[in-house]
Amino acid sequence: DAGVTQSPTHLIKTRGQHVTLRCSPISGHKSVSWYQQVLGQGPQFIFQYYEKEERGRGNFPDRFSARQFPNYSSELNVNALLLGDSALYLCASSLLSIETQYFGPGTRLLVL
Amino acid sequence: DQQVKQNSPSLSVQEGRISILNCDYTNSMFDYFLWYKKYPAEGPTFLISISSIKDKNEDGRFTVFLNKSAKHLSLHIVPSQPGDSAVYFCAASARGGGGSNYKLTFGKGTLLTVNP
Repeated sequence: DAGVTQSPTHLIKTRGQHVTLRCSPISGHKSVSWYQQVLGQGPQFIFQYYEKEERGRGNFPDRFSARQFPNYSSELNVNALLLGDSALYLCASSLLSIETQYFGPGTRLLVL
Repeated sequence: DQQVKQNSPSLSVQEGRISILNCDYTNSMFDYFLWYKKYPAEGPTFLISISSIKDKNEDGRFTVFLNKSAKHLSLHIVPSQPGDSAVYFCAASARGGGGSNYKLTFGKGTLLTVNP
């Protein structure tokens, strides 16, 4: 069975640009969560979606937004990119929002 | 405020010996704990979890111990293998908190190196 997939794997952007990251959950999983991991730190929670509704938001500015589609895939959007947004963005899926989360390989974003 | 702490940035052990990775937490609402392993250029891989109603959970070579009074958990790997060399993250969530958001709060990770 396919695990969580994310695209693209790597991305280079410049300050002020916009980026869209995509995630497909494990088949049958209805919940998707997004995390940001910067070097030397553990992943930090950004959003959780369950059945297309936002269930939680971490301490990130409004430049970060996300949505979940009817097929349970998800997009993370970041506007007005800053150098500090350079990080590994991880998507995780779970059967229900309360269940164990399984992570994808991540998208590495570099902002120049 | 770091709610989940892994105070050892790195740990080195010999192949065949026991690896013990430690994690402390401060939020008493946490009631579900997980360990993830992460290789470079990959996402975290789920290893093992434990609910706060238990004090031990075992899966093959991996055992997690939970001491609620001390707000401390540990992951034991026996015997350690070179392929276990990776960064290990401790994570926690508050599943019984009454909310609808089951986010994971992670520690900073411990780099485990298993020497042949």
